[in-house]
Amino acid sequence: DIQMTQSPASLSASLEEIVTITCQASQNIGNWLAWYQQKPGKSPQLLIYGTTSLADGVPSRFSGSRSGTQYSLKISRLQVEDIGIYYCQQASSTPYTFGAGTKLELK
Amino acid sequence: EVQLQESGPGLVKPSQSLSLTCSVTGYSITSSYRWNWIRKFPGNKLEWMGYINSAGSTNYNPSLKSRISITRDTSKNQFFLQVNSVTTEDTATYYCARYNNPFDYWGQGVMVTVSS
Repeated sequence: DIQMTQSPASLSASLEEIVTITCQASQNIGNWLAWYQQKPGKSPQLLIYGTTSLADGVPSRFSGSRSGTQYSLKISRLQVEDIGIYYCQQASSTPYTFGAGTKLELK
Repeated sequence: EVQLQESGPGLVKPSQSLSLTCSVTGYSITSSYRWNWIRKFPGNKLEWMGYINSAGSTNYNPSLKSRISITRDTSKNQFFLQVNSVTTEDTATYYCARYNNPFDYWGQGVMVTVSS
């Protein structure tokens, strides 16, 4: 199985701050990487797919990037509605696997 | 609009089988895509369990392969999950989701507790 090592496990940030979450894949997955946001009591919602493509309706303050097998999600100016848990997911091969999640809180 | 809705018992006894239904509206499960079950454990870990595709073929997570079955009823546009011989380790929130590389539509989830 492809392991996705996500960091940090939790993050406290201020409004308007830049936030970065990373995922390290255990092997080459190309651009087959997605990011999801989960708010309390809700199901995960797609944010980014194909490493860099924003899903419909996702604000432009979210962006994705890649360096080798390390993938990053960046929130350029943190807003209150961005609070939740973020997950990466590799779509290169089954079994599809997720990162352990990053809990993002407001400082 | 595509919508998915899970249903099933919220409490299952150890050693019994867990059975859930995902009802899909707004898209035919026989048209395209992979139709998945994913679960989230207490502590936030997400695990992909398996899928049934539009042709009816299945693919399961090897960690569950001996205990899991995903089937469908095309007349009702539903697909199903069965997990056999459950233990407390199967306590989780279960989601159904459509896979369009990536998972683009999710149900709201159903919490299942395994307890005697």
